[in-house]
Amino acid sequence: DQQVKQNSPSLSVQEGRISILNCDYTNSMFDYFLWYKKYPAEGPTFLISISSIKDKNEDGRFTVFLNKSAKHLSLHIVPSQPGDSAVYFCAATLSGSARQLTFGSGTQLTVLP
Amino acid sequence: ETGVTQSPTHLIKTRGQQVTLRCSSQSGHNTVSWYQQALGQGPQFIFQYYREEENGRGNFPPRFSGLQFPNYSSELNVNALELDDSALYLCASSWGTSGGAAGELFFGEGSRLTVL
Repeated sequence: DQQVKQNSPSLSVQEGRISILNCDYTNSMFDYFLWYKKYPAEGPTFLISISSIKDKNEDGRFTVFLNKSAKHLSLHIVPSQPGDSAVYFCAATLSGSARQLTFGSGTQLTVLP
Repeated sequence: ETGVTQSPTHLIKTRGQQVTLRCSSQSGHNTVSWYQQALGQGPQFIFQYYREEENGRGNFPPRFSGLQFPNYSSELNVNALELDDSALYLCASSWGTSGGAAGELFFGEGSRLTVL
């Protein structure tokens, strides 16, 4: 049973445009959500996170939105750059187990020059 | 500052064999977690070690076992390998096991295991 789902395996966006990556979850006990980025032959790297008590967190070109009632979060990248091309994983943690992440299956983002 | 390093980077085993994967945590980190990433899937939590003790385990059978050493480095051992064990095994280190921004998890590049 997948508790964190990323239903779009891939997304292509033109350079300079907005990229929107989506993630749904089923476990209402998740209290922290994160996005990781992974390049080929590298480990995932932390991108941005949001606590369940917030609905938005922004860091430069990256913004994460959380809709708890819909159990949905999204990552917005504006403007998109070719270097953003990577696999993006959504992840969640349960209260008290902050280092144990439940990941989605990932979305391959391709930013076209 | 030294990042998380894993060895070997690639290895091939046959069904029924045993494998040991190694991880050196980032300097200053005392917690190591292991994840399995099958092709086309996200990483799945195997277990976590904190101060040489197992501190949480995912839905993996007992033939997956681990160790953490006094210098906080870690090993993942898998016995009686099965074809489905073919995956990228990721090690991640952090300081502590809870609290603070949960994003402070630093991953190594992984060990790619192929079971034939």
